[in-house]
Order: sequence, then structure tokens, then C-alpha cells
Amino acid sequence: DAGITQSPRHKVTETGTPVTLRCHQTENHRYMYWYRQDPGHGLRLIHYSYGVKDTDKGEVSDGYSVSRSKTEDFLLTLESATSSQTSVYFCAISERAVYSNQPQHFGDGTRLSIL
Amino acid sequence: ELKVEQNPLFLSMQEGKNYTIYCNYSTTSDRLYWYRQDPGKSLESLFVLLSNGAVKQEGRLMASLDTKARLSTLHITAAVHDLSATYFCAVDSEGGPYTDKLIFGTGTRLQVFP
Repeated sequence: DAGITQSPRHKVTETGTPVTLRCHQTENHRYMYWYRQDPGHGLRLIHYSYGVKDTDKGEVSDGYSVSRSKTEDFLLTLESATSSQTSVYFCAISERAVYSNQPQHFGDGTRLSIL
Repeated sequence: ELKVEQNPLFLSMQEGKNYTIYCNYSTTSDRLYWYRQDPGKSLESLFVLLSNGAVKQEGRLMASLDTKARLSTLHITAAVHDLSATYFCAVDSEGGPYTDKLIFGTGTRLQVFP
């Protein structure tokens, strides 16, 4: 398995509270991604990072922020959680596909429930 | 806006039968990925298809890519219960050169019964 650890694995919190999810990798890959998975939508990209301090938005970035201060860590923050952000969150890592022909590798996911 | 559509969304098939899952996408891309997901688990990479006409096979699964038709297929031969899972296709969101921002299909849930 690719060395990707997501924490926490499960979290229940209340609307309006801040939440931070962590993704830690041991592969020294440059690219890291945050997705959310919801029934009927597949996986949707929230934010991604192409290097330390370099991040960009995905297709569903509203309400989320990210930070990457070290190669191995990519944090996803919900500043004020809403019930619509209840989902399963996956982190993924990769080297740039055009150079490596490798797919993105996924972590085990974080199940987040916002009441 | 890039759209990736899979069909069928749900497939119930008998062991030993053959079937094909289709993945259509709406913009140019010559790089397509297939993933498998078991319930409650992570996504596992199955195939990376890199160019028009690419065909890859692993066990009872074979994937192909037709970039001109914007279509990929995942063919299942002589299905067995262990293939029961959800299968996703994904393409680069900006077509190329490769940004690695993937757009996923909604998935095909495959159930194989005796």
C-alpha cells in the first residue's frame, strides 16, 4: 500500500465548528489531493497541491481551505462545518502523470458526520 | 464543463457471464483511469490507459480506450463473486497537458451472484 495515512478516520461534530483533516504521506510525492465522496456523485476534487505552499481549487472548493507546509502533510480545513459537508473524505497522492504514467493512490478515507 | 458518465450504474450478473461497463467523457483526453472500490474501503487502481487504442488486461478484467469516441470500456469475462465492487473511471479535467485534476464517473456497482 502507498504510504498514506489519514486522520482522524471517523469524526462526528456539530454545525458551525471548525474541523481539520490531516493527510500524511511517506512517499515524497509532489502532488496531493483532497476529494469528497457522496452517493450519486462519485469522487469530487476539493483542492490539490503541487508542492509545498502551492495549492489550487478543485470543482467543489467552497467552504474548504487547505495548507501544505511540508511535503508530507496536506491539511483540509472546514472553517465552519455545515451538514452539507457530511461526507467521506479521501486524500490521494501522485507524481505528475505526464512524467510517471502512474495513477493517483488513495488513503483509507475519513468519515465525517456533521450534526 | 467536463462530464464523465458511466453506465450502467448498477449491474447484477451471474457468475460465469460476461459484461461490459461503459465510460463516456465529454472533452478531449488521452489519459483515463479505472479504479475499484470495495464497500467502506479505499480506491484501488486497476488500469491506466495512456493513448488511443490502449488495451490492458488483468485477470478477468480488460480495459480499452477510444479517444476519438471519448469512450472507455471495462469488460468482465466469466465473472466471479470476488469481482463484486464499485468500479470508477476518471479522466484529467482539463484534457491535457496533464494537470492531474481528475473527474470521476459516478461509479458502477457490480454484484456477482452464484
